[in-house]
Amino acid sequence: GDSVIQMQGQVTLSENDFLFINCTYSTTGYPTLFWYVQYSGEGPQLLLQVTTANNKGSSRGFEATYDKGTTSFHLQKTSVQEIDSAVYYCAMRDWSSGSWQLIFGSGTQLTVMP
Amino acid sequence: NSKVIQTPRYLVKGQGQKAKMRCIPEKGHPVVFWYQQNKNNEFKFLINFQNQEVLQQIDMTEKRFSAECPSNSPCSLEIQSSEAGDSALYLCASSLTANTGQLYFGEGSKLTVL
Repeated sequence: GDSVIQMQGQVTLSENDFLFINCTYSTTGYPTLFWYVQYSGEGPQLLLQVTTANNKGSSRGFEATYDKGTTSFHLQKTSVQEIDSAVYYCAMRDWSSGSWQLIFGSGTQLTVMP
Repeated sequence: NSKVIQTPRYLVKGQGQKAKMRCIPEKGHPVVFWYQQNKNNEFKFLINFQNQEVLQQIDMTEKRFSAECPSNSPCSLEIQSSEAGDSALYLCASSLTANTGQLYFGEGSKLTVL
């Protein structure tokens, strides 16, 4: 079935380190892909989305490229800050059981040390 | 800053008790979703509405869970007879259309069933 895979459960970095969070997806269609971020004690919020294959999305210094060839949508940031500590979810809009669904990955907890 | 308002933030119930959560969607958003997020950060879609009509709901929702989005009143999700496995964060989200992946989440209602 359709799915979103995030293999990294936890990532710990120091400030100014480079961030790379893996995300791969599986579907027979042409999905829209998203990254959501959830800070402690808050609900998830949309970070960025990409509708078209081979396009890049960017927001707040984060970027992700929709790579249809490798079915990936990895999240990157050149220089993380302590305030970026949060859980990051890759998500895919998918047609399932007669309606649109948003399928979330299992999340990657990012901890940035000062 | 969430514009989707969820109350209460925390609920503690005994097994078999009713648990009710409310949600005021973002102004102008006709579509409302309810998700359950467990302690492993996994999201489970429960139900969604467009205005007052149910678009889709999962089997679990059809049995012990009930939900509604009455006109001019907050939406609500109620668990008729709480079970330990229902302990989770219940997230309400709203959107402009049913086929978007751009959801605006509230901060959630954290239910603990003792």
